[in-house]
Amino acid sequence: KAGVTQTPRYLIKTRGQQVTLSCSPISGHRSVSWYQQTPGQGLQFLFEYFSETQRNKGNFPGRFSGRQFSNSRSEMNVSTLELGDSALYLCASSKILAGESYEQYFGPGTRLTVT
Amino acid sequence: AQRVTQPEKLLSVFKGAPVELKCNYSYSGSPELFWYVQYSRQRLQLLLRHISRESIKGFTADLNKGETSFHLKKPFAQEEDSAMYYCALSVNSGGYQKVTFGTGTKLQVIP
Repeated sequence: KAGVTQTPRYLIKTRGQQVTLSCSPISGHRSVSWYQQTPGQGLQFLFEYFSETQRNKGNFPGRFSGRQFSNSRSEMNVSTLELGDSALYLCASSKILAGESYEQYFGPGTRLTVT
Repeated sequence: AQRVTQPEKLLSVFKGAPVELKCNYSYSGSPELFWYVQYSRQRLQLLLRHISRESIKGFTADLNKGETSFHLKKPFAQEEDSAMYYCALSVNSGGYQKVTFGTGTKLQVIP
């Protein structure tokens, strides 16, 4: 079974630009979560989508948004990029079945550098 | 709101020494606890979960509800254990699961 895939793997943008990251979950997984990982802050939760609906949201400004499509693929968008947005953005998918342990499967991440 | 605290950003131990990575959580109900690991240049992956009560790669973790802790332990550290470790808490919130991660502890095993 293919794992979680994220595209692109690396991205360099300049301040003020916007960026869209993509995540394809494991087949059959309907929940997709996004995280920002930095050396200083560790792993910070951005948001979670399930059946095309945002169910959870972390403490990030409105410049960070996302969506999920009917095939469970998800995109994350960051507008008006700031230097502090440079990070590794991780996507994780989960089955979300009754009685199943909530284990998350992570993708390799997209390394975003803002200059 | 639930919270996960990993007090150590970096833990250095010598090969063969015991390891204990601390994790404390705040949640009044019955949580599900996990440890995730990220080896160098690899993706974040599940190491173990408290409901399984299993030992993975020699690591164990016991949920202590009285102390609200879920410390990760290994009796003899190996060089290949060097990695970033994250403790995570999953709770049922409004009918669905909500996951909170700690800030992580970097384990460095010195040869």
